[in-house]
Amino acid sequence: QKEVEQNSGPLSVPEGAIASLNCTYSDRGSQSFFWYRQYSGKSPELIMSIYSNGDKEDGRFTAQLNKASQYVSLLIRDSQPSDSATYLCAVILEGGFKTIFGAGTRLFVKA
Amino acid sequence: NAGVTQTPKFQVLKTGQSMTLQCAQDMNHNSMYWYRQDPGMGLRLIYYSASEGTTDKGEVPNGYNVSRLNKREFSLRLESAAPSQTSVYFCASRDSTGTRKAFFGQGTRLTVV
Repeated sequence: QKEVEQNSGPLSVPEGAIASLNCTYSDRGSQSFFWYRQYSGKSPELIMSIYSNGDKEDGRFTAQLNKASQYVSLLIRDSQPSDSATYLCAVILEGGFKTIFGAGTRLFVKA
Repeated sequence: NAGVTQTPKFQVLKTGQSMTLQCAQDMNHNSMYWYRQDPGMGLRLIYYSASEGTTDKGEVPNGYNVSRLNKREFSLRLESAAPSQTSVYFCASRDSTGTRKAFFGQGTRLTVV
């Protein structure tokens, strides 16, 4: 079992819809969780971080964390074609240093 | 504002050759990381350095060695390159406190023939 699991997709949504991306992790001691966006041929860039249970909103993005279920999600509201990218879930494992990524979910937003 | 700088950007090696990928950060971060990215595999951790003077294995360390030369620099060495090491390599750094956000270099595209 991989330490961080994501549905590889591709996930296709129409412009203006809500895109929902999911991630599960295995290390119960993990305390820090991140979503990175990666455009083709580019480096990953951070879009959201979340550290406590519940929701965290930043503009069109909402991250949700449920530590009991070991589940992290990212909602993208009013999806735009420019949101088309691979979204990577990352978890800092217990100990505070080792940072593991999921395989990523490819998102396509159709105009 | 350089951030994380990796060299080289592209490299072609023959099987059995050795090379070192260089990484430097100017953000005074304690932790540094080397990842490889293959199609459909996301980022897989090769080695990391929690702080100057320490290094630890990640998910896929076989065939690689690292050196944390000082707080700024973290190099990755392939002693005897194999075609299975054809990949895109990313260096990253982050602070141990605060947001713990990782900053990435621009990547090195390595092909082993």
